[in-house]
Amino acid sequence: NAGVTQTPKFQVLKTGQSMTLQCAQDMNHEYMSWYRQDPGMGLRLIHYSVGAGITDQGEVPNGYNVSRSTTEDFPLRLLSAAPSQTSVYFCASSLAGEYGEQYFGPGTRLTVT
Amino acid sequence: ELKVEQNPLFLSMQEGKNYTIYCNYSTTSDRLYWYRQDPGKSLESLFVLLSNGAVKQEGRLMASLDTKARLSTLHITAAVHDLSATYFCAGGGGATNKLIFGTGTLLAVQP
Repeated sequence: NAGVTQTPKFQVLKTGQSMTLQCAQDMNHEYMSWYRQDPGMGLRLIHYSVGAGITDQGEVPNGYNVSRSTTEDFPLRLLSAAPSQTSVYFCASSLAGEYGEQYFGPGTRLTVT
Repeated sequence: ELKVEQNPLFLSMQEGKNYTIYCNYSTTSDRLYWYRQDPGKSLESLFVLLSNGAVKQEGRLMASLDTKARLSTLHITAAVHDLSATYFCAGGGGATNKLIFGTGTLLAVQP
């Protein structure tokens, strides 16, 4: 199993550009989430999904869209990048159940100039 | 709305010493998680705590949960340099399994 994979690892965008961060998992996990990590602020939840076709907003959803057409994939779209979206983005997945332990991908480091 | 606070934010320790990281949360949380993050890396799961009085240990790390006090602790025994990392606690779970993270504790173990 590859676990949770994310592409790209690094990305530089200009203000106003759009792009999609990819996330995939091969563990048949129901739950998937996107977080952003900024210095001194821990990780903040952007969007999450409890299954294919079901998504909802987290703490900081503005400027981001998600969709989940398959169990395996959960892409994060930046519609019009802004410098405030410079961050490290982590995707995570987990099973439903007693522990619900989340497994994190390697992260994407995004810089918006 | 769940809020999670960690302290201290930064902890410099000498090898061989003991210390505790504290994690307070504001409302009922189904589960409490502890993660480790090395610089430039992803998050590694350390512990999942489910119920009041839960205590888990792995090597020099021991985590406990007091749901009445809404407090979890991560205790480090006889610290070694390899434990230097950032440690996060997170609350959440339930039907959506959303996690709310604390701001993290940067642990630096000095020889």
